[in-house]
Amino acid sequence: GQNIDQPTEMTATEGAIVQINCTYQTSGFNGLFWYQQHAGEAPTFLSYNVLDGLEEKGRFSSFLSRSKGYSYLLLKELQMKDSASYLCAVRDSTSGTYKYIFGTGTRLKVLA
Amino acid sequence: DSGVTQTPKHLITATGQRVTLRCSPRSGDLSVYWYQQSLDQGLQFLIQYYNGEERAKGNILERFSAQQFPDLHSELNLSSLELGDSALYFCASSPPTGVGRTGELFFGEGSRLTVL
Repeated sequence: GQNIDQPTEMTATEGAIVQINCTYQTSGFNGLFWYQQHAGEAPTFLSYNVLDGLEEKGRFSSFLSRSKGYSYLLLKELQMKDSASYLCAVRDSTSGTYKYIFGTGTRLKVLA
Repeated sequence: DSGVTQTPKHLITATGQRVTLRCSPRSGDLSVYWYQQSLDQGLQFLIQYYNGEERAKGNILERFSAQQFPDLHSELNLSSLELGDSALYFCASSPPTGVGRTGELFFGEGSRLTVL
């Protein structure tokens, strides 16, 4: 089966850097996604990793280690608007189709 | 605006009733996914359709059913509603994967169902 773990909550200060970790177990790994979700709103796509290494996109970076089943999302120069839930999702192709399995999300609070 | 349209945005109904949620995917996307998100919970995968055919099932209750029509819009039917069915229901679509494409999900704004 599939399993995704990420911390429930994190708190950081405006202007700081925060790293949100995600570990996963899946038999048909086909990519890892990070989404941002503000309360009551739709998730929006942040980043994608399918090969090992770091992908950088402005203030956001995401890292993947397939051998360790591990990813992290790094947010730099935190702003108040970054207060949201961050969802780690794995795309699994075990059943011959793509399934996107989401973790429960990490609620990030950015304090002034 | 993700390009995925969901209706209705809000729905209040009573236990035992039946509702239908509708989703129109982004133009060109053949895959539609349905997710349930209860209060402070993660996104629970319900079901996936590709070009009119059911492709994968997640933790979808027998009281729930879905279909995708020839014009690619999809409907999620929820029947014999219970209090615990109150949740945000998201529809998402994805473009085909391929070279240079990530195939990420694009989510609609969701349908908030309240069962009283």
